Amino acid sequence: DAKTTQPPSMDCAEGRAANLPCNHSTISGNEYVYWYRQIHSQGPQYIIHGLKNNETNEMASLIITEDRKSSTLILPHATLRDTAVYYCIGIANFGNEKLTFGTGTRLTIIP
Amino acid sequence: GAVVSQHPSWVICKSGTSVKIECRSLDFQATTMFWYRQFPKQSLMLMATSNEGSKATYEQGVEKDKFLINHASLTLSTLTVTSAHPEDSSFYICSARDGAGLGSEAFFGQGTRLTVV
Repeated sequence: DAKTTQPPSMDCAEGRAANLPCNHSTISGNEYVYWYRQIHSQGPQYIIHGLKNNETNEMASLIITEDRKSSTLILPHATLRDTAVYYCIGIANFGNEKLTFGTGTRLTIIP
Repeated sequence: GAVVSQHPSWVICKSGTSVKIECRSLDFQATTMFWYRQFPKQSLMLMATSNEGSKATYEQGVEKDKFLINHASLTLSTLTVTSAHPEDSSFYICSARDGAGLGSEAFFGQGTRLTVV
């Protein structure tokens, strides 16, 4: 798995866009970038993943740089329920590859 | 979307006893499931990979005789913490991948909080 680096914590005002960066400079060509989040005392929740194109779903957008060395997860209108630890993971997309979690970013949404 | 269910959500047991945690994929089949452990204010640590019909693969430093894993069917994996001690108190989480290869994603159970007294 590619090593990823994320800031340990971030704050964002409620209603604003939350932009969470992730560096993955050693990512290989067949590794996807996955984002998960973990709300306190719950299991991780899948958010989004991508290979090289930008992706968007009902939860978030994922912007991947052209050189694929970094990406940004965007929560367009953050709510208090988005307060969680967000994990960026690089993994080859083969069925049984294990997900290895780093320390993630603790995002706090401020009322 | 795919759902992974863990049972129980929490358990308190006496030191020296064994505890079994179940992980089920409710609407898909999973040949592989993963077991994680999480201590307070720390990230998830992978303990082992559970393979249906074969032995589990344990991460370095995880005692296979203490954490028994059984993956007898495509929808059920169990983790048994044997002779539990207070230091085994933790949040245990399982994961299963829906499908293989392109576009597959891993889903996680809600976790089991184990407290050994």
